[in-house]
Amino acid sequence: DAMVIQNPRYQVTQFGKPVTLSCSQTLNHNVMYWYQQKSSQAPKLLFHYYDKDFNNEADTPDNFQSRRPNTSFCFLDIRSPGLGDAAMYLCATSRAARGQGYRGYTFGSGTRLTVV
Amino acid sequence: TQLLEQSPQFLSIQEGENLTVYCNSSSVFSSLQWYRQEPGEGPVLLVTVVTGGEVKKLKRLTFQFGDARKDSSLHITAAQPGDTGLYLCAGPGGSQGNLIFGKGTKLSVKP
Repeated sequence: DAMVIQNPRYQVTQFGKPVTLSCSQTLNHNVMYWYQQKSSQAPKLLFHYYDKDFNNEADTPDNFQSRRPNTSFCFLDIRSPGLGDAAMYLCATSRAARGQGYRGYTFGSGTRLTVV
Repeated sequence: TQLLEQSPQFLSIQEGENLTVYCNSSSVFSSLQWYRQEPGEGPVLLVTVVTGGEVKKLKRLTFQFGDARKDSSLHITAAQPGDTGLYLCAGPGGSQGNLIFGKGTKLSVKP
């Protein structure tokens, strides 16, 4: 089945130790997103790739970076995780064409990050 | 900034009861979507509503988009424990039309 896969499902990292979360998709969608979701809060968009173009949200901290080496993979790098970065990180994809309206997202199962 | 307000925040009911949850905004949205998220999982798209006044049905779930396209509701008939989850509404509204989410309604259906 075509899907969005996130690895790992659970990640424990030490305060200040760089960590990378991965997302892969078999949907051949051209847009990939990273959301941060804290407990009892709405998912918050960190950044997205429209094809190869990286789009950062204005309030995303510099501590968060992303890479998309090809259509299928996207990575979220947290350079120096703090306690406040503990959250569920959701990857999503969509197929979008400029000026052709809006389509739904397909989400992965998420990676729950714990910072100790 | 476009915001989506969902109510109630929490809802706990018995199996077989009916319920309605709401998604409201002061802004007009070109479309709204409803997602259901189970604990430890990512959101799953339930429906997209596009036309003001539109009503869509998905088995026991009925979705309505307000005439002015500023609000939406989700009605569940004869709720079952399998309906338990976080119900999120979302609409295009970010800097490039990306999805913004409401905080969700956390539904618990007890057997």
